[in-house]
Amino acid sequence: DTGVSQNPRHKITKRGQNVTFRCDPISEHNRLYWYRQTLGQGPEFLTYFQNEAQLEKSRLLSDRFSAERPKGSFSTLEIQRTEQGDSAMYLCASSLAWDSGNTIYFGEGSWLTVV
Amino acid sequence: AQTVTQSQPEMSVQEAETVTLSCTYDTSESDYYLFWYKQPPSRQMILVIRQEAYKQQNATENRFSVNFQKAAKSFSLKISDSQLGDAAMYFCAYRSRTGGSARQLTFGSGTQLTVLP
Repeated sequence: DTGVSQNPRHKITKRGQNVTFRCDPISEHNRLYWYRQTLGQGPEFLTYFQNEAQLEKSRLLSDRFSAERPKGSFSTLEIQRTEQGDSAMYLCASSLAWDSGNTIYFGEGSWLTVV
Repeated sequence: AQTVTQSQPEMSVQEAETVTLSCTYDTSESDYYLFWYKQPPSRQMILVIRQEAYKQQNATENRFSVNFQKAAKSFSLKISDSQLGDAAMYFCAYRSRTGGSARQLTFGSGTQLTVLP
């Protein structure tokens, strides 16, 4: 068990470019979550997968954001036509599905800076 | 919708002393979980302690304990014998036990804890 892995850890991009982040959850975890965290704030929920199915999306997830989990293992979060307001830490997390009380384990995050 | 409020943006404590971080929440649900997460400068969110709302007994994990007041919707974290490694941002979080929102955590805005040597 190597924990939740995210890459890249840091990304600087020009406004208008597309970026993609990858998340590898803990191997037996079938739930995967994406959160966004800006400086001085707590993480905000973006979206959630159970296996390969995307079951919930926050209204924070605009049309420029898309997340996939094609084989129910790793996930990608793509941001198209980035804006300066997209600058944030993007956190991935995973958990087991059978109990809502199961611990949600977080990765170290992917820090995005849009210039 | 549930909300979580942490009214102390910053707190400091002397090494070996005790500190209490406050958290209040608002919900119409009766069955839920509450969590305290720690986020050190490395940015990885680490679970410190969790409390099931149906349990009256306050959760304890070594030097960390909570004071859960369900009627008051209050969930404070007490850190005893504070250590330099406890310095971090601490987040209080809520998770419903049932229904659609059971899948996600709702976080407060955090309390930055400084431990003074």
